[in-house]
Amino acid sequence: DQQVKQNSPSLSVQEGRISILNCDYTNSMFDYFLWYKKYPAEGPTFLISISSIKDKNEDGRFTVFLNKSAKHLSLHIVPSQPGDSAVYFCAAGTFSKFYFGSGTKLNVKP
Amino acid sequence: GAVVSQHPSWVICKSGTSVKIECRSLDFQATTMFWYRQFPKQSLMLMATSNEGSKATYEQGVEKDKFLINHASLTLSTLTVTSAHPEDSSFYICSAEGLGATNEKLFFGSGTQLSVL
Repeated sequence: DQQVKQNSPSLSVQEGRISILNCDYTNSMFDYFLWYKKYPAEGPTFLISISSIKDKNEDGRFTVFLNKSAKHLSLHIVPSQPGDSAVYFCAAGTFSKFYFGSGTKLNVKP
Repeated sequence: GAVVSQHPSWVICKSGTSVKIECRSLDFQATTMFWYRQFPKQSLMLMATSNEGSKATYEQGVEKDKFLINHASLTLSTLTVTSAHPEDSSFYICSAEGLGATNEKLFFGSGTQLSVL
């Protein structure tokens, strides 16, 4: 039973436009949420996190939105750059354990 | 906002060697730091909880003699993988508990990808 789902396996966006990556979770007890980026043949890189007391967190071009009632979070990348092309994973959980989604492959076209 | 620096981000080592990973809270004091481990396609799992000035608390199944954790100051915790073997290859990430500007409590490092040959 998947506790964290990323329903879009891939996403293609034009350079300069907004990329929106979505993630859904099932457990209302989850209180921390993370986004990672992974390039081929490399380890995952932590991008941004958000706790359940907030509904938005920004870091440069990256913004994470959390909708607790819908158990949904999203990552916005504005403006998208070709170097952002990678697989993005969301994770949700508590202090002791986090569950990962299956990832969304983002392709930013020049 | 609060920042947690983790170093190195990527390390490759030979089997039998030891690897030290550092986790620093840059602009706040972290009395508690957490160490996690993630295997490919699996969840991020808590390994141990590190409290400044005291021994770390390890989760069940984690070998404390293999994964040495030191939290000597309020801004630094280290994880040493001793006598690393290929099965220790994984993604390790730390987090630090502290009070941010909006009372957020948990801040994450950027992770370390360990590959043991």
